[in-house]
Amino acid sequence: DTGVSQDPRHKITKRGQNVTFRCDPISEHNRLYWYRQTLGQGPEFLTYFQNEAQLEKSRLLSDRFSAERPKGSFSTLEIQRTEQGDSAMYLCASSHTSGRSTDTQYFGPGTRLTVL
Amino acid sequence: GDSVTQMEGPVTLSEEAFLTINCTYTATGYPSLFWYVQYPGEGLQLLLKATKADDKGSNKGFEATYRKETTSFHLEKGSVQVSDSAVYFCALSDQGGSYIPTFGRGTSLIVHP
Repeated sequence: DTGVSQDPRHKITKRGQNVTFRCDPISEHNRLYWYRQTLGQGPEFLTYFQNEAQLEKSRLLSDRFSAERPKGSFSTLEIQRTEQGDSAMYLCASSHTSGRSTDTQYFGPGTRLTVL
Repeated sequence: GDSVTQMEGPVTLSEEAFLTINCTYTATGYPSLFWYVQYPGEGLQLLLKATKADDKGSNKGFEATYRKETTSFHLEKGSVQVSDSAVYFCALSDQGGSYIPTFGRGTSLIVHP
């Protein structure tokens, strides 16, 4: 297994455009997380899925943001009507959780979004 | 809510020097504690973790001990290398089901030859 992959690695867009990012988790992992990271800060949680169900969303996730994981495998994060404040690194992570075991997350390389 | 506080960087050291990066936390329960490392241009990688009080996590010469009495999880390495230059993130996650980690702001480490 090659780990968590994200596509694209970089995206430059103009304000007001829509963008979509993709994340492919480690194949046997049932949980998938999205984070946003700005310069000089740690990752901030956006949302997570267990299989295809979206179980939690942060208040950071405005209604312009939507995430899906239709078949419980890859996930997409869409940002509509992008704003300059959306410029950040968007990170995806996956993990396997069963019972009460501690959940170690494995991160992808991220997608860097620049909104002009 | 839960929070993590790390010492501010950058931390600049010469090769073979001793490293300590301080991390303290605030949590309502009994969290798991983590150190992640982010090399330039790459995603975060788990460096080590500890799941209960007095546990010591270790990996690649790095160590950290879960100190419940001082709510700390300081990262240490006896002899750093240039290749250790990266940003280090301390994090905690609850063990109540969602396991969503809370990260510190990160500490940049620069090691000179």
